[in-house]
Amino acid sequence: AQTVTQSQPEMSVQEAETVTLSCTYDTSESDYYLFWYKQPPSRQMILVIRQEAYKQQNATENRFSVNFQKAAKSFSLKISDSQLGDAAMYFCGRGGSQGNLIFGKGTKLSVKP
Amino acid sequence: GAVVSQHPSRVICKSGTSVKIECRSLDFQATTMFWYRQFPKQSLMLMATSNEGSKATYEQGVEKDKFLINHASLTLSTLTVTSAHPEDSSFYICSALKPRDSYYEQYFGPGTRLTVT
Repeated sequence: AQTVTQSQPEMSVQEAETVTLSCTYDTSESDYYLFWYKQPPSRQMILVIRQEAYKQQNATENRFSVNFQKAAKSFSLKISDSQLGDAAMYFCGRGGSQGNLIFGKGTKLSVKP
Repeated sequence: GAVVSQHPSRVICKSGTSVKIECRSLDFQATTMFWYRQFPKQSLMLMATSNEGSKATYEQGVEKDKFLINHASLTLSTLTVTSAHPEDSSFYICSALKPRDSYYEQYFGPGTRLTVT
């Protein structure tokens, strides 16, 4: 089955602290990529970070980084120095060679001031 | 980044009527667009893949006669919900693929909230 699992429906972090969101996936494809999207209350989907499966080095984008464990099919997102604007739904997902995306159920992140 | 628009942002229609939602890539050409549906507090579910100049590919369980997709140009895809019913009320999101270096990146529209009364 081509699935993406986010085991944390909700997470909370103190402002300026670090939080890690978990994600595991399953795929039979050899050519795929992984991503995290953020969906704030406006519901506009915003790409946070993307990782090509063939790349061993973990992707980073400023305060956002991933821990990609290909053998374990794990793709967690670490947010450092959390800010109030980081509060949103975060969707982990997998993309295939055709461009179609499969999303996990999402993790609602709250940031406490 | 690339811009994808959707129109309308909100629509209310009566049961039994049809409603059309437009998805436009404003600053790039997109041979492939996708349509998603999102229920409250749930994830995005892919409904169909829209390819310019050819028939859309629907995901299992999506009624192609109910959700008509037309990708008439490289910048426009439309989703028509025919004979809408209250259970069709949802948030519909489109996205467009843009080539970027060695891969494609998917850009999302702001979504359309459909309410069927």
